[in-house]
Amino acid sequence: AQTVTQSQPEMSVQEAETVTLSCTYDTSESDYYLFWYKQPPSRQMILVIRQEAYKQQNATENRFSVNFQKAAKSFSLKISDSQLGDAAMYFCAYRSAGFGNEKLTFGTGTRLTIIP
Amino acid sequence: EAGVVQSPRYKIIEKKQPVAFWCNPISGHNTLYWYRQNLGQGPELLIRYENEEAVDDSQLPKDRFSAERLKGVDSTLKIQPAELGDSAVYLCASSRDGSYNEQFFGPGTRLTVL
Repeated sequence: AQTVTQSQPEMSVQEAETVTLSCTYDTSESDYYLFWYKQPPSRQMILVIRQEAYKQQNATENRFSVNFQKAAKSFSLKISDSQLGDAAMYFCAYRSAGFGNEKLTFGTGTRLTIIP
Repeated sequence: EAGVVQSPRYKIIEKKQPVAFWCNPISGHNTLYWYRQNLGQGPELLIRYENEEAVDDSQLPKDRFSAERLKGVDSTLKIQPAELGDSAVYLCASSRDGSYNEQFFGPGTRLTVL
């Protein structure tokens, strides 16, 4: 079974600065997807960024980018120019690419605080 | 486009009482998921539907939990009887199909069992 580990329960960053959230995972599969989700106090999970394991290029979405290290099974999220609206719980998630196994496996989350 | 709708947003019940949660997925989304999120944890899948068929319910505690998705649209998750350990947020998500498409989440129902 796959596992996802987020070793930073809490992180804080000054507004406009850059912060990196860590995520490692364990799998024996070669093809899979990795995600970062944001969960604000409203509880609604919002997809931040997605990475396909077969792609070597790191995904980027505006101020959000990832550092995907497949051999090390590491998938960190970098948030540049942090804004107050970035404050939330961030969850790393894994999903097999195999048919019939579409469930997301989540880590325990990192609570990000933005300091004005 | 309306998002995933869930109700109620909050529910407080006494242990041993029944409770039901309702989810209406995004129109046109064939795949529906129910997740449970315990305090301080990430969500865990309870059951996944492809249209009206439950294709993965391996994590659903079948002695007290049941779910249905009649006509392959909205879904209901039921707990009977509820236990203290069932206190959690119950999240519903949907996707266009079960492949690589993004899962869209609803706001969840926070259940408190006293």
